[in-house]
Amino acid sequence: AQTVTQSQPEMSVQEAETVTLSCTYDTSESNYYLFWYKQPPSRQMILVIRQEAYKQQNATENRFSVNFQKAAKSFSLKISDSQLGDTAMYFCAFRPYNTDKLIFGTGTRLQVFP
Amino acid sequence: GAVVSQHPSWVICKSGTSVKIECRSLDFQATTMFWYRQFPKQSLMLMATSNEGSKATYEQGVEKDKFLINHASLTLSTLTVTSAHPEDSSFYICSASTAGEHTEAFFGQGTRLTVV
Repeated sequence: AQTVTQSQPEMSVQEAETVTLSCTYDTSESNYYLFWYKQPPSRQMILVIRQEAYKQQNATENRFSVNFQKAAKSFSLKISDSQLGDTAMYFCAFRPYNTDKLIFGTGTRLQVFP
Repeated sequence: GAVVSQHPSWVICKSGTSVKIECRSLDFQATTMFWYRQFPKQSLMLMATSNEGSKATYEQGVEKDKFLINHASLTLSTLTVTSAHPEDSSFYICSASTAGEHTEAFFGQGTRLTVV
C-alpha cells in the first residue's frame, strides 16, 4: 500500500526567509504524480506544485520549488522569500499514474511570522 | 483553473435528521468525484469515490448506508449523511477530476457539518 509521511507537524519561519517542508512516500509504482497542497484558514485546498515521477527536473512555481529524489522516495517543498500569506497547512500527496485517487500525508502547519 | 462549488458551506442539523451536501463542477465535466472527511488539525480522509452513472466505491470502514453518494450527472455529486449524530460532525470536502492522462483534482470549499 502507498503511504505518505510528513514528519514535521509544525514549522515556523520568519518573513522573507526560506523554509523546507519534508515529505517521504512509499510505493512500488514507477509512474506516479506528487503534489503539494496548501490549506489556509479558509480551508480551501489549493494546489501549490506538482511533479511527474518520470521527469527528473524538479518542478518550480515562482517562490515554490521541490527537491524530488525518486530513489530516496523524497519530495520536499522549499518556500523562498516566505510571506505572511503562506501561513497554512501544507499537505503532500501521492497519486498513482493509473488512478485519480490522492493519498495525503498528515500535513505540516506552517506559521510565517513578521 | 477549473472551479468546483460545494454547498452548503456550513450546516447545523438536529440528531436523527439527514443532510445533503452538493458538489458541482462548474466549468468542466467530472468523470470522477471524491468525498473526504477532515477532523480538526488532521489530514483528509478519503471516504468514497463517486463515478458518474455507477455506484460509489467506499473506503474501508465507511458506512455506505450512512453516507449515501449519488453522482447523477457529470457535473454533480451529492453526499447525504443519513440519521446524523454528533459524531458525524466534521468538515467534508469534495474534489472533482477531469478526464484524460494528466488529470488534476480540483477541490470544493468544504462543508462544516455540526450535528446537535
